Amino acid sequence: GAGVSQSPRYKVTKRGQDVALRCDPISGHVSLYWYRQALGQGPEFLTYFNYEAQQDKSGLPNDRFSAERPEGSISTLTIQRTEQRDSAMYRCASSHPDLSYNEQFFGPGTRLTVL
Amino acid sequence: QKEVEQNSGPLSVPEGAIASLNCTYSDRGSQSFFWYRQYSGKSPELIMFIYSNGDKEDGRFTAQLNKASQYVSLLIRDSQPSDSATYLCAVNAGYSTLTFGKGTMLLVSP
Repeated sequence: GAGVSQSPRYKVTKRGQDVALRCDPISGHVSLYWYRQALGQGPEFLTYFNYEAQQDKSGLPNDRFSAERPEGSISTLTIQRTEQRDSAMYRCASSHPDLSYNEQFFGPGTRLTVL
Repeated sequence: QKEVEQNSGPLSVPEGAIASLNCTYSDRGSQSFFWYRQYSGKSPELIMFIYSNGDKEDGRFTAQLNKASQYVSLLIRDSQPSDSATYLCAVNAGYSTLTFGKGTMLLVSP
């Protein structure tokens, strides 16, 4: 596609429910990143993939958070047993190996609200 | 702990003036530096990146990098009301993730 797409754009869930957030990167971009952005803050790194391999998951807050990218394209970020503190904007970005300095392009984000 | 510091602002400038946005970073191993613009309620948009000391110009935007001082800046010439946004500084220590500052809000008044 022309840009990074994310779905759903908005998600409201009740505490304790599981949610799955989807990211479809720019066509041909092999690196995919997940960030979380709180209001008034910059994006905070969660995890990233090169192709289907998860290269770094050091930013995932705890073991309720997981991510996968099984075919090296679309990625899913899953949050189990959601808590109110998980409410935030979840952003996905992608980059291409031909971009020498790892320029990352962001999708529109998914606004998660946990009630 | 890698840190990227920005003044949260708001930085207010009149239309036509030069806006100067500053950023410092803690990791001396940082290799590339990015400026993103984020309009309220929108996603970050890449506007500039720089990787060597000195200045890099692109239209009305100039990025400046001083690795010895661990300092990056963004100058916006002939500021327009449409430049009003939050500007995020991001730093990359290798071919991996970005560490972002909290952003500086810029307000350009007509």
